[in-house]
Amino acid sequence: AQKVTQAQTEISVVEKEDVTLDCVYETRDTTYYLFWYKQPPSGELVFLIRRNSFDEQNEISGRYSWNFQKSTSSFNFTITASQVVDSAVYFCALSEAPSEDSNYQLIWGAGTKLIIKP
Amino acid sequence: DGGITQSPKYLFRKEGQNVTLSCEQNLNHDAMYWYRQDPGQGLRLIYYSQIVNDFQKGDIAEGYSVSREKKESFPLTVTSAQKNPTAFYLCASSIGGLAGGSNEQFFGPGTRLTVL
Repeated sequence: AQKVTQAQTEISVVEKEDVTLDCVYETRDTTYYLFWYKQPPSGELVFLIRRNSFDEQNEISGRYSWNFQKSTSSFNFTITASQVVDSAVYFCALSEAPSEDSNYQLIWGAGTKLIIKP
Repeated sequence: DGGITQSPKYLFRKEGQNVTLSCEQNLNHDAMYWYRQDPGQGLRLIYYSQIVNDFQKGDIAEGYSVSREKKESFPLTVTSAQKNPTAFYLCASSIGGLAGGSNEQFFGPGTRLTVL
């Protein structure tokens, strides 16, 4: 069965600290996709990244970086030099390859609330 | 500007009333989704539609209904049968099709429904 676990319910750091949000997933498929979304206080979810299971290269986008490790079924997200504007709830999600039986759903983690204190 | 619009932003309903939440997208996406989010919780799928005139139940469809008569529109009706409808409702869309599993979903700003 597919499952996404974000064990950190809430993280609080002081501005400029680095912070890593953990995401562990379970799937029996060899082809799957992983996502991170940000939900600021306004409520709208913002897409951050998509990763397919065949690409284990780490990704960096400005202060954001993602570490995908199939050996540990993890897709962790690091924010370097955090800023107050990074305060949000962050969701990790999993999608398996579509098939005749596929319902194209995203399996969502419970989210990690990140608080960046000035 | 391409995107997803949801209206209204805030909605108040009396118990026993049906209410319809609007979701419109101009991204030319085939797939659309409705999620419910309760305070401090993750997203739960209510209904989804991969193509016009077709839709499927998600994990918590009871008490809700949808229609997909047009590609750009996917309204959600919260019926009186939904016992605890107060929540934040998010609509999303994705390119869909056979590559649907790989496509990221784009979200609207959400509608906050409160039952009085």
